[in-house]
Amino acid sequence: DVKVTQSSRYLVKRTGEKVFLECVQDMDHENMFWYRQDPGLGLRLIYFSYDVKMKEKGDIPEGYSVSREKKERFSLILESASTNQTSMYLCASSLPGTLNTEAFFGQGTRLTVV
Amino acid sequence: AQKVTQAQTEISVVEKEDVTLDCVYETRDTTYYLFWYKQPPSGELVFLIRRNSFDEQNEISGRYSWNFQKSTSSFNFTITASQVVDSAVYFCALRILTGGGNKLTFGTGTQLKVEL
Repeated sequence: DVKVTQSSRYLVKRTGEKVFLECVQDMDHENMFWYRQDPGLGLRLIYFSYDVKMKEKGDIPEGYSVSREKKERFSLILESASTNQTSMYLCASSLPGTLNTEAFFGQGTRLTVV
Repeated sequence: AQKVTQAQTEISVVEKEDVTLDCVYETRDTTYYLFWYKQPPSGELVFLIRRNSFDEQNEISGRYSWNFQKSTSSFNFTITASQVVDSAVYFCALRILTGGGNKLTFGTGTQLKVEL
């Protein structure tokens, strides 16, 4: 059974804290993604990675960075958390896009910044 | 730039009614892929179907069916004889091959509520 696992379901952090959201996949997928989901806005891509140590900005990268040191792990970093980063964060992985396969999603991390 | 529009924010139906969720997409690419995902209250997105731009055949899977029309840039999803378990948020998504074909663009989702 394919699996994308996010380290936390719920997280509460203080403004200004450095926050790490971790995601691990066991499918040997090249691509990994971080999205945030907000009511009325759907899923918006923050960053994605198509290989180890490779990354590309998505639509809303400001205030975030990522790290991919190993193929199976993709971390999202909030350098200095702010209240407007309170959201649901979803990690996904997939084979290369040219293969027309779907992306698999984790269960999500609901982050609250107070 | 590519865009996916799901104009229906929320739909409420009574069990056993049929319901259609609309999806309209925009892209200049001639080769692209379309997807539907379901997000139940548990939060995890569940893949339902994919379709590439060269395959306009409609598809039926049990109570689910999909109608892909390139002429209107639409990829609509119909649930026949809806059930309470169908209550979820449904997302339509578009992937193009430009830039490695890696980016999935999602619509804003349609919240479906099926009541007894």
